[in-house]
Amino acid sequence: AQKITQTQPGMFVQEKEAVTLDCTYDTSDQSYGLFWYKQPSSGEMIFLIYQGSYDEQNATEGRYSLNFQKARKSANLVISASQLGDSAMYFCAMREGAGGTSYGKLTFGQGTILTVHP
Amino acid sequence: DGGITQSPKYLFRKEGQNVTLSCEQNLNHDAMYWYRQDPGQGLRLIYYSQIVNDFQKGDIAEGYSVSREKKESFPLTVTSAQKNPTAFYLCASSIGAGLGTEAFFGQGTRLTVV
Repeated sequence: AQKITQTQPGMFVQEKEAVTLDCTYDTSDQSYGLFWYKQPSSGEMIFLIYQGSYDEQNATEGRYSLNFQKARKSANLVISASQLGDSAMYFCAMREGAGGTSYGKLTFGQGTILTVHP
Repeated sequence: DGGITQSPKYLFRKEGQNVTLSCEQNLNHDAMYWYRQDPGQGLRLIYYSQIVNDFQKGDIAEGYSVSREKKESFPLTVTSAQKNPTAFYLCASSIGAGLGTEAFFGQGTRLTVV
């Protein structure tokens, strides 16, 4: 069974600084995909970035980058130059490939609340 | 505009009653999902469906039921067997279950048992 762990319930960062949100995962499948989503206080879910298990380079999308360490089974989100609008809950999620026992599922972690201070 | 519509936005239920949450998508997506979110918590998967007329239990299916008779619709029924149904419910869809397929979410339904 797949499992996602986010160990930081809350994080604080000063505006314009970088912050790293941790995510570790557990799967026996060699083929999987990792996602990060942002959930503002309004409740909507916003897709941020994706990393495939076979991707050799870390994914980047604007100010978001994913620090993927396959051997450690970690997929940390790095937000550079934090903005006040980045204050939200952030979720890590995972899919397994077609050969996995959890194929079809999209499993989320517990989330990290990020607060950006001016 | 394509998207996912959940209705109603707020729902109140008396104890012992069944209630059905609506989820409709016009994105032509094959896969659909229902999640439950408790305050300050993560998303827990209730049910998911990869194709019409087929669905699987997620991690917390007890007390819930679903149907997938049409590609665009995936309603969730919260039955009286669900002991603590007060929560925020999110519906999502994706084009398929492939590794890189992101999920698109509705705006959610906040269910309160009174």
